[in-house]
Amino acid sequence: DAGVTQSPTHLIKTRGQQVTLRCSPKSGHDTVSWYQQALGQGPQFIFQYYEEEERQRGNFPDRFSGHQFPNYSSELNVNALLLGDSALYLCASSPRGQLANEKLFFGSGTQLSVL
Amino acid sequence: DAKTTQPTSMDCAEGRAANLPCNHSTISGNEYVYWYRQIHSQGPQYIIHGLKNNETNEMASLIITEDRKSSTLILPHATLRDTAVYYCIVRVLSGNTPLVFGKGTRLSVIA
Repeated sequence: DAGVTQSPTHLIKTRGQQVTLRCSPKSGHDTVSWYQQALGQGPQFIFQYYEEEERQRGNFPDRFSGHQFPNYSSELNVNALLLGDSALYLCASSPRGQLANEKLFFGSGTQLSVL
Repeated sequence: DAKTTQPTSMDCAEGRAANLPCNHSTISGNEYVYWYRQIHSQGPQYIIHGLKNNETNEMASLIITEDRKSSTLILPHATLRDTAVYYCIVRVLSGNTPLVFGKGTRLSVIA
């Protein structure tokens, strides 16, 4: 049973460019959340998707957007990249329901470097 | 903002118990205490969670004080593979509530 998979593992972009990161949730999970982790900090919640809609959002600008597909996979898009967007981007999945979502399963992340 | 306070770093000798403290003095009655850890170059990994009773699983034990204002994660026999950043999080268990991470405790297990 594959866990949460993310691609690519590493990415280098320049300021002003746009980037798309991808995530496939763990089998049986329909909810996907994205987190940003700057160096030396804990992960920060960006947003969450289920039923192909954004359901919750953290304190991130509109440059950060996402999408969820019918197979529950998800994309994170960041426009007009800034140097400060350099970070590890983590995807987490869970099933819905109060008891079912007791724990989140995280992927290994995409390391984005903005030059 | 994170509702927990943890020491920045701790050391533990291999084979000994690692006791990681966490303060959550403003915890609400419907909030659970969660622990995750993040090994270098990996995503966070769930360890354990509890509401008010002590909990134990194959990875660790969680001891929550009676007033629920603090807790301790115990790794009974630490190994080098337990070297990681450990995050204590309080979370309402409903509505797919996001995790709010602090900076965690960096545990170094020393041979």
